[in-house]
Amino acid sequence: SQQGEEDPQALSIQEGENATMNCSYKTSINNLQWYRQNSGRGLVHLILIRSNEREKHSGRLRVTLDTSKKSSSLLITASRAADTASYFCATDGGSYIPTFGRGTSLIVHP
Amino acid sequence: DTAVSQTPKYLVTQMGNDKSIKCEQNLGHDTMYWYKQDSKKFLKIMFSYNNKELIINETVPNRFSPKSPDKAHLNLHINSLELGDSAVYFCASSQVRSQETQYFGPGTRLLVL
Repeated sequence: SQQGEEDPQALSIQEGENATMNCSYKTSINNLQWYRQNSGRGLVHLILIRSNEREKHSGRLRVTLDTSKKSSSLLITASRAADTASYFCATDGGSYIPTFGRGTSLIVHP
Repeated sequence: DTAVSQTPKYLVTQMGNDKSIKCEQNLGHDTMYWYKQDSKKFLKIMFSYNNKELIINETVPNRFSPKSPDKAHLNLHINSLELGDSAVYFCASSQVRSQETQYFGPGTRLLVL
């Protein structure tokens, strides 16, 4: 089974609202990454958080990591229609084999 | 300038045919990957090469054979295509294995009829 599992599978919000998506994983990790995939495109890297970090920010993105719970969350504040995409977490499972979840599909209504 | 490029973008072919997908990165990265994304968006790693050497080979049928002529290129050859091979195939690269950011190509949409 895959390492990372995103939750929820789908999220629909209005522009201006915050969007929170979660990722749970099973084994210890060296780092965890979040990626965005627009429809019909490749994945684009958003943030990398290392196992010894608890929180990281990048613009309107905030990522937290709780290694005791083996979970991470991605918060997008003040969402825009352009944020509509699928969001994936990727972990290395401590073995340098990158594994992705199935993603959270986010729709932001204008 | 495209960092990771793949050709072709679309590939429609008959069952039983052999096809190749090419990938090139101009980022100077040491590691390249092939992923398969199914219709449910599940993204699964197939292969990884580091400096032209195979380092990851997940449970992929041996009909799939990666070839890395140099560290900037990682091609994927598929023999005897099957219906279940229909998917989007992504190439990616990173500087140091999966510890660092991966840069993805635009994907190749393969449809086997």
